[in-house]
Amino acid sequence: EVQLVQSGSEVKKPGESLTISCKASGYSFINYWITWVRQVPGKGLEWVGKIDPSDPDMLYSPSFEGHVTISADKSITTAYLQWSSLKASDTATYYCARLGIGGMDVWGQGTTVTVSS
Amino acid sequence: SSELTQDPAVSVALGQTVTITCQGDSLRSYYATWYQQKPGQAPVLVLFGQDTRPSGIPDRFSGSTSGNTASLTLSGAQADDEADYYCSSRDTSGVLYVFGTGTKVTVL
Repeated sequence: EVQLVQSGSEVKKPGESLTISCKASGYSFINYWITWVRQVPGKGLEWVGKIDPSDPDMLYSPSFEGHVTISADKSITTAYLQWSSLKASDTATYYCARLGIGGMDVWGQGTTVTVSS
Repeated sequence: SSELTQDPAVSVALGQTVTITCQGDSLRSYYATWYQQKPGQAPVLVLFGQDTRPSGIPDRFSGSTSGNTASLTLSGAQADDEADYYCSSRDTSGVLYVFGTGTKVTVL
């Protein structure tokens, strides 16, 4: 079964660092880009960026570039989304998704990040 | 980058047909992809390309594009189709992606 399993919910304080993960299984990890998507509570989906696990080549939405870092470790078929200094406005659910030929065809279950002092 | 605009909400009677639209400059060059999201769940891919449904998606979902507008048509709406629907495509650069603003579909 093709699946993406994300790490658990996180509660952090502003200024703290955080890395969340997305473990892929059931397919060849290096053959598909992984994307990250943000959803602020009660709001729509926002595309954060993507990574080619085989390269790795990363591309970011201008709205997120410089504030998050996407990485991947192909040896353990896992992608990551990282912050060095969280803000309250980072509070959201973050999804990873596999980027197939037609679109984001497999999604993780989401990781909820809460940033509050 | 570019924006994709959707109507915030639509309603449809059970068994009737509803069309959701998505407008944006990038749609003149790239097909829209459509996602369904139910409360508390991750999005699900329901339509991509010219009019292609992933395995397991009912054939009551169909799509089309004209100019800068992509459409998702739900024929014979079921209660289970009540959800938020988002379009997405590459942006005008062709490298990045963008999501539409989302449409909440209510089945009456």
